[in-house]
Amino acid sequence: NAGVTQTPKFRILKIGQSMTLQCAQDMNHNYMYWYRQDPGMGLKLIYYSVGAGITDKGEVPNGYNVSRSTTEDFPLRLELAAPSQTSVYFCASSYAGDTQYFGPGTRLTVL
Amino acid sequence: AQTVTQSQPEMSVQEAETVTLSCTYDTSESDYYLFWYKQPPSRQMILVIRQEAYKQQNATENRFSVNFQKAAKSFSLKISDSQLGDAAMYFCAYRVSVYSGGGADGLTFGKGTHLIIQP
Repeated sequence: NAGVTQTPKFRILKIGQSMTLQCAQDMNHNYMYWYRQDPGMGLKLIYYSVGAGITDKGEVPNGYNVSRSTTEDFPLRLELAAPSQTSVYFCASSYAGDTQYFGPGTRLTVL
Repeated sequence: AQTVTQSQPEMSVQEAETVTLSCTYDTSESDYYLFWYKQPPSRQMILVIRQEAYKQQNATENRFSVNFQKAAKSFSLKISDSQLGDAAMYFCAYRVSVYSGGGADGLTFGKGTHLIIQP
């Protein structure tokens, strides 16, 4: 089992560019999540999904979009990158909405 | 809204000693989960221990144990026989149980405690 995988590990974007952060899990988990971690802070929830075709907003969804076409994949889309989106992004999954298992993170810098 | 507070930004302990990290939370729910996650410099979030609120017995995992005080809404982590590999950021996290009718949304995290191990 690879667990939760994320690509890329690092990325630098220019203001206004777009990109997709990829997340995949091979544990057959129904629940998947995207968080961001700003310096000196805990993680904050961006979006989550309880199954294929079902997504919902978390605490900080502005500037992001998600889709869930399969159980395994949960990509996060940034349409118009802004410096405020400079952060470390974590994807996580869980079987029944309780214990969450995290990917290794993507460090994104917007200049 | 639920909140999680970690009042110790940084703690330092001698190798082989015991250290306790504090966490308090605010919720009106009765059925929920509490977690401690470890984040080493690699940034990977690693689950240390989990507690279910309906269980009175404190969770333990080898050298890690918790003191769960439901009425006081307190959830501290005790690390015994501290090792150099324990050096990391430690995050306390909360989520309501989906089985109590809570939503499927994510964890609420504290700001973390930076644990330093002195050799």
